[in-house]
Amino acid sequence: KQEVTQIPAALSVPEGENLVLNCSFTDSAIYNLQWFRQDPGKGLTSLLLIQSSQREQTSGRLNASLDKSSGRSTLYIAASQPGDSATYLCAEVGNNDMRFGAGTRLTVKP
Amino acid sequence: GAGVSQSPSNKVTEKGKDVELRCDPISGHTALYWYRQSLGQGLEFLIYFQGNSAPDKSGLPSDRFSAERTGGSVSTLTIQRTQQEDSAVYLCASSPSGADNEQFFGPGTRLTVL
Repeated sequence: KQEVTQIPAALSVPEGENLVLNCSFTDSAIYNLQWFRQDPGKGLTSLLLIQSSQREQTSGRLNASLDKSSGRSTLYIAASQPGDSATYLCAEVGNNDMRFGAGTRLTVKP
Repeated sequence: GAGVSQSPSNKVTEKGKDVELRCDPISGHTALYWYRQSLGQGLEFLIYFQGNSAPDKSGLPSDRFSAERTGGSVSTLTIQRTQQEDSAVYLCASSPSGADNEQFFGPGTRLTVL
């Protein structure tokens, strides 16, 4: 069974700290990998999309990497802020479906 | 421009009733996806449309669930004879074409089955 695993399940850091969220997947034939954030009571917001041919994508303080050979992706958040507090989901996209990890709940303390 | 919209935003129904959830994708997006998120659980993929066709319906939880898309635009997810375990937030997303495009999500429909 193909799975997506996210570690850690929860993370609490002081404001200003740099942090890394991890995502591992078992499907070697992914089309792309996507990172989302989910705020309580709201829908998903797409953060970064990495095509299977790419190794990383950057948007502002966010940087996502993809290593297909090891089945891993990381989301790096620089200089974290309280507004970054949310649940971060990674999802790997296959041919006709999409598999999500359980998410990492991030809390950034002022 | 307008994003993905879903209606209703909230739906409370009695066990055994049928419900219909609607998704309006971003104009021009050919791919449309349905997911659900149950309380305390991760996001679960349900079905994917490319145009009006759904190549794989195996993600639907049971035969009480069905989905259709007409005119390559609006999609409806129908749940017949609802059960309490159907209570969840149902999310819809669209993307410009297929699996190699970023998905844009709607705000979701919160379904509560009493």
